[in-house]
Amino acid sequence: EAQVTQNPRYLITVTGKKLTVTCSQNMNHEYMSWYRQDPGLGLRQIYYSMNVEVTDKGDVPEGYKVSRKEKRNFPLILESPSPNQTSLYFCASSSRGGEKLFFGSGTQLSVL
Amino acid sequence: SQQGEEDPQALSIQEGENATMNCSYKTSINNLQWYRQNSGRGLVHLILIRSNEREKHSGRLRVTLDTSKKSSSLLITASRAADTASYFCATDNDYKLSFGAGTTVTVRA
Repeated sequence: EAQVTQNPRYLITVTGKKLTVTCSQNMNHEYMSWYRQDPGLGLRQIYYSMNVEVTDKGDVPEGYKVSRKEKRNFPLILESPSPNQTSLYFCASSSRGGEKLFFGSGTQLSVL
Repeated sequence: SQQGEEDPQALSIQEGENATMNCSYKTSINNLQWYRQNSGRGLVHLILIRSNEREKHSGRLRVTLDTSKKSSSLLITASRAADTASYFCATDNDYKLSFGAGTTVTVRA
């Protein structure tokens, strides 16, 4: 089944404790992206990747890192999480940039 | 930065009625897409309309695009309780999709 898999689904952590949210797709998509969703603000793009080893900042990249070493994986790293990064995070992929996105189920992150 | 803005923010209709929501955007686009989100779950793609198209249909969905006015509309006909969700427009500018804040649709039985 074609899907985007994100883990974990829920995560509670404390300020400053490094964490990684994993994202994997099985559709051989070139484009992958991370979004955060906050009430009233819709989805805001954090980082995106047009292909392996090619990543670029979205609209809200501060405090986040990504890497794209393999086509299928696009992990989101928070080196030193802060409470303002408490949010619902989505990973998504598409065959190429600008085309139909397939979304993961989301990761609800709480930073205390 | 957010490109699309949906209107209205919220919509409540009776089952069987039509629901219409609008999206306005600021800069030129390659395509415009509509997505549905059920209660905090992942977004599901509904329809994509390219900048050289004016109207597109998919089942009970009808999307229009007016590039001169930089606006789009999504019409859901004969609504059902299962259509209760948030709907987002997303604009493709420079191969990045930018989402609006969404329209929350409630369909009453």
